[in-house]
Amino acid sequence: KNEVEQSPQNLTAQEGEFITINCSYSVGISALHWLQQHPGGGIVSLFMLSSGKKKHGRLIATINIQEKHSSLHITASHPRDSAVYICASPNSGGSNYKLTFGKGTLLTVNP
Amino acid sequence: GAGVSQTPSNKVTEKGKYVELRCDPISGHTALYWYRQSLGQGPEFLIYFQGTGAADDSGLPNDRFFAVRPEGSVSTLKIQRTERGDSAVYLCASSFNLGGRGGNEQFFGPGTRLTVL
Repeated sequence: KNEVEQSPQNLTAQEGEFITINCSYSVGISALHWLQQHPGGGIVSLFMLSSGKKKHGRLIATINIQEKHSSLHITASHPRDSAVYICASPNSGGSNYKLTFGKGTLLTVNP
Repeated sequence: GAGVSQTPSNKVTEKGKYVELRCDPISGHTALYWYRQSLGQGPEFLIYFQGTGAADDSGLPNDRFFAVRPEGSVSTLKIQRTERGDSAVYLCASSFNLGGRGGNEQFFGPGTRLTVL
């Protein structure tokens, strides 16, 4: 059974700070998803990455497949970045569509 | 283009009633997924459609839950004899299904918040 763990569970930062959220998973996979969820429930896909690093604006995601670990970084954080950030990994083998989600990291960025 | 849409956005019902939740995927996406998210938890997989067929319904909690996708586009999640424990946000996602070991990027709808009184 795939287990996905995120840390920290809650994170409070001041505007402008550099943010790091970590994700580890137990089942070897070749890709991982980072998602953003705002109050009210809507989920937005931020990244799907299988190796190395991806960057989109102020967001950077890295993954180490061998160590089964990924990080999401936010540079120059802003109050509008406040949201829940969730990582998800697909199960291995034939059920690679079936995502197992972490519980999420609640990020609050204060002005 | 339009993203994944779900209706209704909120549904309040009484214990024992029947509810239907609708998902309109992104046009052209062959794969469709339903998830359930309870308060304070990450989403949990319910069912996956590839085209019109349910390729994997192993996440449906019991036989009160059923989902259809008759024409390979819109999907309806049906819950019979609702219970208070069914209260959650029900999320739908869709993707192209290009295969590959890593799966495919899933695009999520805004969810339907179901409250069973």
